[in-house]
Amino acid sequence: QLQLQESGPGLVKPSETLSLTCTVSGGSISSSSYYWGWIRQPPGKGLEWIGSIYYSGSTYYNPSLKSRVTISVDTSKNQFSLKLSSVTAADTAVYYCARWAAVAGTSWFDPWGQGTLVTVSS
Amino acid sequence: SSELTQDPAVSVALGQTVRITCQGDSLRSYYASWYQQKPGQAPVLVIYGKNNRPSGIPDRFSGSSSGNTASLTITGAQAEDEADYYCNSRDSSGNLVVFGGGTKLTVL
Repeated sequence: QLQLQESGPGLVKPSETLSLTCTVSGGSISSSSYYWGWIRQPPGKGLEWIGSIYYSGSTYYNPSLKSRVTISVDTSKNQFSLKLSSVTAADTAVYYCARWAAVAGTSWFDPWGQGTLVTVSS
Repeated sequence: SSELTQDPAVSVALGQTVRITCQGDSLRSYYASWYQQKPGQAPVLVIYGKNNRPSGIPDRFSGSSSGNTASLTITGAQAEDEADYYCNSRDSSGNLVVFGGGTKLTVL
């Protein structure tokens, strides 16, 4: 059974870079059928897609975050990572990683990691 | 357009049928997927594609689509269905992802 687990600091100072890693177990991140994505949810608010990556390194980013986001993949470790630079309090959120299936005419995220709360505060 | 619009809140009597809708231009080209999120938990996929349920999702959940509107229908709502529901699709370009704002479902 495929499982995803987020890891990284729970507290980041304003103006610094948020860094998270998602470890995939029970399957290969190099599967040609899937992409891998990051989604966040500010406290009490809805879901926001951050970006997605293919095992080859091809990336897609939310235009509203693109200037600050870098998503990378390490196939040797079965992991992919998120870096978000110049963070502010508005970046405080639960960050989820998920597998993204994108096929003709549809797409979906499944499964999801449990999520990790990142607070931006000095 | 890269927006998906959902009603903020919907209620249903126990055992009755409820439809949660999602509107957006991209839905003319892509089927939506639907997620259930209970407090303090990660979202769970309940419907994807034309009308597909992942393993373990009860058959009271179904999906449909017409024009720019996707719908999630719960036939015979149960107390455990009380949750937030989000729709999701690619945008019209096909390369980006959008989520609806979410619908809070209350089962009375």
